Amino acid sequence: AQTVTQSQPEMSVQEAETVTLSCTYDTSESDYYLFWYKQPPSRQMILVIRQEAYKQQNATENRFSVNFQKAAKSFSLKISDSQLGDAAMYFCAWGDYKLSFGAGTTVTVRA
Amino acid sequence: DTGVSQNPRHKITKRGQNVTFRCDPISEHNRLYWYRQTLGQGPEFLTYFQNEAQLEKSRLLSDRFSAERPKGSFSTLEIQRTEQGDSAMYLCASSEGGGNQPQHFGDGTRLSIL
Repeated sequence: AQTVTQSQPEMSVQEAETVTLSCTYDTSESDYYLFWYKQPPSRQMILVIRQEAYKQQNATENRFSVNFQKAAKSFSLKISDSQLGDAAMYFCAWGDYKLSFGAGTTVTVRA
Repeated sequence: DTGVSQNPRHKITKRGQNVTFRCDPISEHNRLYWYRQTLGQGPEFLTYFQNEAQLEKSRLLSDRFSAERPKGSFSTLEIQRTEQGDSAMYLCASSEGGGNQPQHFGDGTRLSIL
């Protein structure tokens, strides 16, 4: 089975600090895409950042960046300068047309 | 861009009843996806359409589930003879063609089976 594992059910971060969310996945494919989605409570899922597996350069999007290790099948998300609005459930996903999601990591931001 | 719209937001029904959900994708998106999300879990893929063609169905989609996308615009997901285990959030997403295109999600329809 092709799975996504997010080993941290919950993470807490002080406002303005940095937090890193881990994600590992399992696939036999060589070309695919990786995503981090954010789901605030009772709100829709929003794309945070995406990475193309054939690109070695790690993607960045403002305060969000990834550390993509293809050989290790690892795709972590770093949130820098955390803000109160970053509080949400974060899902790691991989796929091409259909996405496989991890169970999510709940991020709380302390003021 | 008005976003992906799903109706209803909430549906409460008795076990054994049929329910139908609707999804209106972003207008220029030719791909449409359905996912199911249970409490504390990530979404699970159910099925997807390229225009009006249903190209793949997950094994999660039993015979009681049927999805359509007539004319390649909105889509409906019907569940017949609902069971307790069908209680979940049903998410719809749409994207432009191509696997690298991000999927845009709707707010979901939360189904509760009494």
